[in-house]
Amino acid sequence: QVQLQESGPGLVKPSQTLSLTCSVSDDSIKSGGYYWSWIRQHPGKGLEWIGFIYYSGSTDYNPSLKSRVTISSDTSQREFSLKLTSVSVADTAVYYCARSGRYGGYIFDSWGQGTLVTVSS
Amino acid sequence: EIVLTQSPGTLSLSPGDRATLSCRASQSLTTTYLAWYQQRPGQAPRLLIHSASRRATGIPERFSGSGSGTDFTLTISRLEPEDFAVYFCQQYGGSPNTFGQGSKLEIK
Repeated sequence: QVQLQESGPGLVKPSQTLSLTCSVSDDSIKSGGYYWSWIRQHPGKGLEWIGFIYYSGSTDYNPSLKSRVTISSDTSQREFSLKLTSVSVADTAVYYCARSGRYGGYIFDSWGQGTLVTVSS
Repeated sequence: EIVLTQSPGTLSLSPGDRATLSCRASQSLTTTYLAWYQQRPGQAPRLLIHSASRRATGIPERFSGSGSGTDFTLTISRLEPEDFAVYFCQQYGGSPNTFGQGSKLEIK
């Protein structure tokens, strides 16, 4: 069972860039068939998919965030990352990394525990 | 964007009861591209059901999904104490994929 773990600053100032990294426990990030996503959950709310990167390096982003998001990967380090620019208080949320592909590209079968990111001055 | 509306917002039941949760889509899902997730307090979501009715590996048989078009249902046949949690539906037939706002299943 793959394990995912998010890491990064828990506090970001408005207008700055949010940067998070997800560490993957096995080599599935290097093999085909899996997609690596970021998903967020605003406090007490539902879930919002941010985007994913495929092992080939191709990406897909939620149109609502596309202009501010970059997802990249470093398979040699078994990790992938999220950058979200020009953040505001509306970006305060728990950020999860997740894997999909076992059942379909957008079906998330493994998740990290999540990390709370607060945007505040 | 497809909006998913879940009902009820909160359902109060007892262990051993049957739970029925609903998810309605703002437009028809031409294929049964709908999933259900369980989220216990302080934990990440866990995939229960995909393709509207297919249980993910390791998910107990008491969990079942059904539906098509715009109306989908998650049924838990006999509630165990660990089943009291929040449940989300997700559609992945439209772009972007979207989630419902969640239904909380609480102990009566």
